[in-house]
Amino acid sequence: TQLLEQSPQFLSIQEGENLTVYCNSSSVFSSLQWYRQEPGEGPVLLVTVVTGGEVKKLKRLTFQFGDARKDSSLHITAAQPGDTGLYLCAGGDGGSQGNLIFGKGTKLSVKP
Amino acid sequence: NAGVTQTPKFQVLKTGQSMTLQCAQDMNHNSMYWYRQDPGMGLRLIYYSASEGTTDKGEVPNGYNVSRLNKREFSLRLESAAPSQTSVYFCASSEGLALYYEQYFGPGTRLTVT
Repeated sequence: TQLLEQSPQFLSIQEGENLTVYCNSSSVFSSLQWYRQEPGEGPVLLVTVVTGGEVKKLKRLTFQFGDARKDSSLHITAAQPGDTGLYLCAGGDGGSQGNLIFGKGTKLSVKP
Repeated sequence: NAGVTQTPKFQVLKTGQSMTLQCAQDMNHNSMYWYRQDPGMGLRLIYYSASEGTTDKGEVPNGYNVSRLNKREFSLRLESAAPSQTSVYFCASSEGLALYYEQYFGPGTRLTVT
């Protein structure tokens, strides 16, 4: 059974700080997605990474897929209160009809 | 553009009651999904429909049934609600396989079973 472990589970920082959250597995994934979920809403896709070693940037957010495609990280530079939310990673290996396994998420709070 | 809509937004049921959660998408997507989200558990797939006319079990299907009414609509039914089904339920849709296509999520239904 594939599992995605996210760390840390909770993170509370001040505006302007940098942070990194992690998504790890013992399984190889064909692709990995990162979502952000705000309170009372559904998750929204931020990025999809598919190639080992791939790095994608979205403004102040940098996503990296591990060389072995078993892990990923999300780095936020100069965090802002608007970055507050639950960050979920999700991956799949092409089995299970192409469905995704979700991690439990990292709950980020950025204080002004 | 409404995207994915879900009704109701909130629901309280007594143990043993039944109800249907409704979901509709206006993006002409082929695939639709039902997830539940519990505190500390992330999102878990209940059922999905890869295309109109097909439905399949996900990770946690027990106690639920689904109907893909047409390409737009995918409903989730609880025949005899149990307290363990207290959760937030999300419907999602995608153009194709979730592995390769962006999933769009609805706003969720918050269900409490007493």
